[in-house]
Amino acid sequence: DTGVSQNPRHKITKRGQNVTFRCDPISEHNRLYWYRQTLGQGPEFLTYFQNEAQLEKSRLLSDRFSAERPKGSFSTLEIQRTEQGDSAMYLCASSVDSRRELFFGEGSRLTVL
Amino acid sequence: GEDVEQSLFLSVREGDSSVINCTYTDSSSTYLYWYKQEPGAGLQLLTYIFSNMDMKQDQRLTVLLNKKDKHLSLRIADTQTGDSAIYFCADGEDNRLAFGKGNQVVVIP
Repeated sequence: DTGVSQNPRHKITKRGQNVTFRCDPISEHNRLYWYRQTLGQGPEFLTYFQNEAQLEKSRLLSDRFSAERPKGSFSTLEIQRTEQGDSAMYLCASSVDSRRELFFGEGSRLTVL
Repeated sequence: GEDVEQSLFLSVREGDSSVINCTYTDSSSTYLYWYKQEPGAGLQLLTYIFSNMDMKQDQRLTVLLNKKDKHLSLRIADTQTGDSAIYFCADGEDNRLAFGKGNQVVVIP
């Protein structure tokens, strides 16, 4: 098992464009989480899935953000009409149920010009 | 989880002990966590402590929890160059965690 994989690792885009990030969790992990980390801060919870069901969305997740996990395996996080304030590292993590270890990917860094 | 606060920077000589502190506000968290983030790598769980415990030791790591003051600390004994990283404490349920800002630890050989 290669761990949690995220793509692309770095995305540079112009303000107003849409971007999509993909996360492949560890196989057999039924829970998948998205976090966002800005420079000098700790990660902030965005949303999570159990299998294909999205169970919770943080108030940080504006209506420009949408996440899916259609088959309960990989997940995508789409940001529409990007703003400079969306520049951050987007982290994906997975776990087996709510067991006390999250396995994080290396993140997808978004730079909005 | 709610607000978690940490101080920012610690420099320590190789072989010495390092102590990282954290305060948290969510007293309902069942577990509190320490994660490590190395450059270019994903966050890695170091250890966690059940909220009813005062102390947990795990090899070179010692976690102390003061529930009355909502204070959590991580002591790393015999600090090594590979311990250079950013350390985050976190609280929360079901892995919906609130992380502190992190402590950067720099180990001087």
